[in-house]
Amino acid sequence: SQQGEEDPQALSIQEGENATMNCSYKTSINNLQWYRQNSGRGLVHLILIRSNEREKHSGRLRVTLDTSKKSSSLLITASRAADTASYFCATDAPAYDKVIFGPGTSLSVIP
Amino acid sequence: NAGVTQTPKFQVLKTGQSMTLQCAQDMNHEYMSWYRQDPGMGLRLIHYSVGAGITDQGEVPNGYNVSRSTTEDFPLRLLSAAPSQTSVYFCASSWGRGSSYEQYFGPGTRLTVT
Repeated sequence: SQQGEEDPQALSIQEGENATMNCSYKTSINNLQWYRQNSGRGLVHLILIRSNEREKHSGRLRVTLDTSKKSSSLLITASRAADTASYFCATDAPAYDKVIFGPGTSLSVIP
Repeated sequence: NAGVTQTPKFQVLKTGQSMTLQCAQDMNHEYMSWYRQDPGMGLRLIHYSVGAGITDQGEVPNGYNVSRSTTEDFPLRLLSAAPSQTSVYFCASSWGRGSSYEQYFGPGTRLTVT
């Protein structure tokens, strides 16, 4: 079973709209990370949020963390065609010494 | 800096053949890992290393071997390829182990076993 799972599995929006994807996890965590993967490429780290943080921003990205609901959301504002990619959340494995990736959300931004 | 490099980019093997996927990083990272990515399953950890001479198993280690003789290199060996090992393989490195550290990924090796 997955520690972290993204929702929705796929999302299609028009350029300029905001995109929101969610990650839910099962056991308590120290940190949660979001990564992006463009088609045919390796993953690229976007942002890390610690369990004692509620919100973080990086450019057009906003990440929130609700530890009471065991969930996180990634908001991309004013999306661009170049944001078309898969987005993965990564959380602690129960032993905290490894990282587990969710299956990802596939985002398509239509020009 | 080249970051994390992987070779080859593509490979086709017949069942039973063996091969080595190469991974190198030039960031002096202690922690390196190998993942496989299959549709709908995210990335699954195969093996990892916390430093030269130290390796350990991840979530799906069967059929794979690793070694870490230097900080820079972390090759993954397929001992006797099976169709179930058809996948995209990613090598990653980071300063340390666990979710406090950003992982840097290579571009991947797409492997097909027939």
